Amino acid sequence: GEEVAQTPKHLVRGEGQKAKLYCAPIKGHSYVFWYQQVLKNEFKFLISFQNENVFDETGMPKERFSAKCLPNSPCSLEIQATKLEDSAVYFCASSQEAGRQPQHFGDGTRLSIL
Amino acid sequence: GENVEQHPSTLSVQEGDSAVIKCTYSDSASNYFPWYKQELGKRPQLIIDIRSNVGEKKDQRIAVTLNKTAKHFSLHITETQPEDSAVYFCASRSGGYNKLIFGAGTRLAVHP
Repeated sequence: GEEVAQTPKHLVRGEGQKAKLYCAPIKGHSYVFWYQQVLKNEFKFLISFQNENVFDETGMPKERFSAKCLPNSPCSLEIQATKLEDSAVYFCASSQEAGRQPQHFGDGTRLSIL
Repeated sequence: GENVEQHPSTLSVQEGDSAVIKCTYSDSASNYFPWYKQELGKRPQLIIDIRSNVGEKKDQRIAVTLNKTAKHFSLHITETQPEDSAVYFCASRSGGYNKLIFGAGTRLAVHP
């Protein structure tokens, strides 16, 4: 498609439950990025993919967060055993190539942990 | 570590005035600097970007300048309109990877 598509728009989970978010990048884009935006608006980089390969995972909390980009499927970000501090908007972005290329963002998934 | 500082955090102007937002980056290998506009509850939208081999870029009422020596870049909006009201984020692309390092954002309010 012409836009990055994220689902669901809003996800509510009880503390300790699992949360799974999905992202379909723009068609033809090779790179996918996940960012977390917390209440103070700050963006935190989580992970990036080049096609189905992890490119940079330096921002990922190792213990509970995982992500995948499989061929012919939306990319996913999964959080096990959610905590209150995981409440945030999770944005996915995609870009055509590496280097100095624009990253286009999806509408985000608002994750609320109760 | 890499970081981007953005000032001011809030900016209030009258319609028709100019607005300037400034950012400073720490990674001297950064080579790409986008600016995003984010309205409440919406996605960040790319409004302009500049690459390190260029000092200035303009698109209608929006311009960005880059000073590589000082590691500064700035967003200039002229003839502001109420619909320019939003949070603006600067970012720099990390030299080693593709991730963007974002500033903390500037909340711009344009009053009619």
